[in-house]
Amino acid sequence: GAVVSQHPSRVICKSGTSVKIECRSLDFQATTMFWYRQFPKQSLMLMATSNEGSKATYEQGVEKDKFLINHASLTLSTLTVTSAHPEDSSFYICSARVTRGITYEQYFGPGTRLTVT
Amino acid sequence: AQSVAQPEDQVNVAEGNPLTVKCTYSVSGNPYLFWYVQYPNRGLQFLLKYITGDNLVKGSYGFEAEFNKSQTSFHLKKPSALVSDSALYFCAVRNTGTASKLTFGTGTRLQVTL
Repeated sequence: GAVVSQHPSRVICKSGTSVKIECRSLDFQATTMFWYRQFPKQSLMLMATSNEGSKATYEQGVEKDKFLINHASLTLSTLTVTSAHPEDSSFYICSARVTRGITYEQYFGPGTRLTVT
Repeated sequence: AQSVAQPEDQVNVAEGNPLTVKCTYSVSGNPYLFWYVQYPNRGLQFLLKYITGDNLVKGSYGFEAEFNKSQTSFHLKKPSALVSDSALYFCAVRNTGTASKLTFGTGTRLQVTL
């Protein structure tokens, strides 16, 4: 149980185009999902927290107009990188939160490798 | 602010030998501590966590970690390393607040050789 999928796993796009990445919780409902970015040989940096039915909360320094997040249902959150540039090339990982009593667990997707040429 | 330190970029160990991957943390209040493993071009896989109770936590694939409150450490250990354990390991912390977010360390690459 608690499987998170991402699609696509790998995408190459031209500079100036937009790319959408999907994150799905396959066997549970997630009111909260997180989007992370990971640069080569570096840790995960939280970009934003996505709440179902409301606007995402972005971390400091993350451009909300560039990284559009939509959490339209309890099992799907999408990250759209608008007008992508080579510096947006990175590994993007989503995570879904499941409440368990007084605490919660986070389950991670397999990641999406974005390359902007 | 909460933080995690993984002082070693890489740990090298021979197969069959014990391994330790170090982690220290800083957080207000009581910590929830986690270890995750990442294989190339993959997401994070959960290994184990400390929430409360016994300081020695056992997790997946024979890994364990010891919570040491006085030293604010949560080192990952395994009695006998396997070549297949070679991967990137992340320590993470958050406090017990319901709105608390995970903070990750910079990761430690474990290389197990024959």
